[in-house]
Amino acid sequence: AQSVTQLDSQVPVFEEAPVELRCNYSSSVSVYLFWYVQYPNQGLQLLLKYLSGSTLVKGINGFEAEFNKSQTSFHLRKPSVHISDTAEYFCAVSNAGGTSYGKLTFGQGTILTVHP
Amino acid sequence: KAGVTQTPRYLIKTRGQQVTLSCSPISGHRSVSWYQQTPGQGLQFLFEYFSETQRNKGNFPGRFSGRQFSNSRSEMNVSTLELGDSALYLCASSLVFWASGSREYDTDTQYFGPGTRLTVL
Repeated sequence: AQSVTQLDSQVPVFEEAPVELRCNYSSSVSVYLFWYVQYPNQGLQLLLKYLSGSTLVKGINGFEAEFNKSQTSFHLRKPSVHISDTAEYFCAVSNAGGTSYGKLTFGQGTILTVHP
Repeated sequence: KAGVTQTPRYLIKTRGQQVTLSCSPISGHRSVSWYQQTPGQGLQFLFEYFSETQRNKGNFPGRFSGRQFSNSRSEMNVSTLELGDSALYLCASSLVFWASGSREYDTDTQYFGPGTRLTVL
């Protein structure tokens, strides 16, 4: 079984400050890792993903994340946030290598609030 | 390119009724997955369909069912609605293709629709 833990349920920051949203996972098999963002009353939008290769992945809107296999973590970072980044962020995993059968396991979400 | 579409966007039902939600995947995507999102339980996987066959199912009661049509469109049905079924129901599609040797490979990414907000009174 897989599980995902997002270590912070809420993260308040000021505009133009850096932010890190933390995600740890547990799995007995190799995984793919994802970060999605959800704005109010909308679906999920893919921010970035790690499949293989370089452990530092860059996504949309200036976000990046680093895969750390030894610590089973996939933390999301942005060097300077904007008011428009206020949203809920979800970390998710799926089985790697063609056996996922379309199943994502999600963390509980982190609400990022950017203050002016 | 059109994204995943879900209809209706909002729905109000009463306890005991049944409901059908519809999802049209991105053109060319053959896999459709459904998720339930609630404040208490978060995002939970319901089931996934590929080529009109259910390939995986989450831990939900039999009142939750689904199907997929030959054009990859999918519907999910909830019978005998309960108050706890109030949720945002999200559909996601992904591209699945056949590699050589007739093994199928899932691609890596699911793309989500805007969801259907179901309220059960």
